[in-house]
Amino acid sequence: GESVGLHLPTLSVQEGDNSIINCAYSNSASDYFIWYKQESGKGPQFIIDIRSNMDKRQGQRVTVLLNKTVKHLSLQIAATQPGDSAVYFCAENLWSSASKIIFGSGTRLSIRP
Amino acid sequence: DAGVIQSPRHEVTEMGQEVTLRCKPISGHNSLFWYRQTMMRGLELLIYFNNNVPIDDSGMPEDRFSAKMPNASFSTLKIQPSEPRDSAVYFCASSGGEGRGTEAFFGQGTRLTVV
Repeated sequence: GESVGLHLPTLSVQEGDNSIINCAYSNSASDYFIWYKQESGKGPQFIIDIRSNMDKRQGQRVTVLLNKTVKHLSLQIAATQPGDSAVYFCAENLWSSASKIIFGSGTRLSIRP
Repeated sequence: DAGVIQSPRHEVTEMGQEVTLRCKPISGHNSLFWYRQTMMRGLELLIYFNNNVPIDDSGMPEDRFSAKMPNASFSTLKIQPSEPRDSAVYFCASSGGEGRGTEAFFGQGTRLTVV
């Protein structure tokens, strides 16, 4: 697997605390949003998604919030663990472009022991 | 399912040479994407296919880049001639939705180095 050493904003969190990663998307027409996690040496991996007719969706230890008014998306990770260390990307699906998925710039999550 | 399979995992080539990257999507998926990841530009969508047909290639940097999908189980991304600035990690992804609103599954990527 491969990844790159991106110069990204970094969020440093104490192990066991909750993490909140934020993302601003660009197109008000987007109707589907996805969070991906990319670990070192691997491709992006799906975490959770949300459609524009919802403002909140919960998964296992993760919650995604969508605020369409300000075009903002957030990912909350509960009880952060060392295995959560990765780069996190939000992505938007442009309705007018069918399957086209556009990625944001990413945030690196670092876990302090 | 083995997931999206890309080959080679690493490629080192000299400037001016032709490079071909290969991708096998997940069986049954009808959309395929090629992305490039660099330090400066992050993850960029180069091109995507629906049902083997190129839908949007606006992300392809220039004419040196071309992509094909001859059938539902295989796609190639070719760079000819390659340049040092093409050095990056290239990802292939596939999704199984009817078009909109489905997640993409990524391969492990190919790290390309052009010297």
